[in-house]
Amino acid sequence: QLQLQESGPGLVKPSETLSLTCTVHGGSISSSVFYWGWIRQPPGKGLEWIGSVFYSGSTSYNPSLKSRLTISVDTSKNQFFLHLSSVTAADAAMYYCARQAFCGGDCYIDHWGQGTLVTVSS
Amino acid sequence: EIVMTQSPASLSVSPGERATLSCRASQSLNRNLAWYQQKPGQAPRLLIYATSSRPTDIPARFSGGESGTEFTLTISSVQSEDFAVYYCQQYNYWPTTFGQGTKVEIK
Repeated sequence: QLQLQESGPGLVKPSETLSLTCTVHGGSISSSVFYWGWIRQPPGKGLEWIGSVFYSGSTSYNPSLKSRLTISVDTSKNQFFLHLSSVTAADAAMYYCARQAFCGGDCYIDHWGQGTLVTVSS
Repeated sequence: EIVMTQSPASLSVSPGERATLSCRASQSLNRNLAWYQQKPGQAPRLLIYATSSRPTDIPARFSGGESGTEFTLTISSVQSEDFAVYYCQQYNYWPTTFGQGTKVEIK
């Protein structure tokens, strides 16, 4: 059974870089039919797709975050990563890692991690 | 960016009743639409993809449909475990975008 697990600091200072890791259990990240993505949800609000990575390292970023965003993958560890620089209070949210079906691009999400809450505060 | 508009924002239903949720897109989506259920403190869960396809673990009381740029999620007989927030997602255009959600509450 596929499981995804987020890890990383729950508290980040303003202007610093938010770094999260997603570890994939029960399946290989080196699949040609899935993307591996990040989605966030501010408290009490809706969902925002952040970006995704293919096992080859190819990435796709939400234009609203692209200038601050890096997503990468380590197939040897079955992990992928999120780095978001210059964070502000607007970046405080629950961050989910997820598996996205591949349908010529970023597709629907069939597996989600349980999420990790990130607070931005000095 | 494609805007997804869900209605109503909240819906009160009694157990056993039928519930119909709506999601309207600003452009045609070629059936590339998914629905998710999110319960408090939990991650979203995929209910429907490609407008009307259901993963094998999703009960048959959940169904999806479309009419032009309007998409619907129908729960034929709402059960107690179905009270949650429901989101639609379009993945026809990049970047993929979500609706703002519909909360299904107990009447």
